[in-house]
Amino acid sequence: AQSVAQPEDQVNVAEGNPLTVKCTYSVSGNPYLFWYVQYPNRGLQFLLKYITGDNLVKGSYGFEAEFNKSQTSFHLKKPSALVSDSALYFCAVRDGGNNDMRFGAGTRLTVKP
Amino acid sequence: DGGITQSPKYLFRKEGQNVTLSCEQNLNHDAMYWYRQDPGQGLRLIYYSQIVNDFQKGDIAEGYSVSREKKESFPLTVTSAQKNPTAFYLCASEQGAQTGELFFGEGSRLTVL
Repeated sequence: AQSVAQPEDQVNVAEGNPLTVKCTYSVSGNPYLFWYVQYPNRGLQFLLKYITGDNLVKGSYGFEAEFNKSQTSFHLKKPSALVSDSALYFCAVRDGGNNDMRFGAGTRLTVKP
Repeated sequence: DGGITQSPKYLFRKEGQNVTLSCEQNLNHDAMYWYRQDPGQGLRLIYYSQIVNDFQKGDIAEGYSVSREKKESFPLTVTSAQKNPTAFYLCASEQGAQTGELFFGEGSRLTVL
């Protein structure tokens, strides 16, 4: 079965600095990869996805992610962090077009002024 | 406005009682999902439904039940057989074809006293 790992529980960055939230995955077929963000006591919001095509995917709020097949990674990045980016970020994976989406445990991003 | 509505937002239950969480969507989406969120564990799939009158178990279906009598509605019942029901429950929908862009409700926080 597919799985995803987010190795960092917490990431702290200063406002204006670049940020990276890491994600690695495991699938037997073609990976469909996703990033979601969650603000306190709210549902998740979709940020971006990789299905096929260009390895660099751009999403909402200036976020982007790079698909790296050899390293089985899909790290989330942003060139300049904002305090308002502080939230819980989830990476998710599907094995090809199946219905079962697996989420990572989440990484809490804190951006300090 | 289109979206997913979960109710109630907060719910308290005594041990041994069943409780039903409501999830309604007006997005005309085919697929609907129930996830459970616990701190540090990410989201775990309870049940999902691709079409009306059909649903499948996820990883942690024991102690839960669902129905999908209407496209718009996917209620989740937490039964007394669920040994540790205190959690944050998230409902999501997706417009078929496994696009990966799940639309989440605001969640229901269940506390068992």
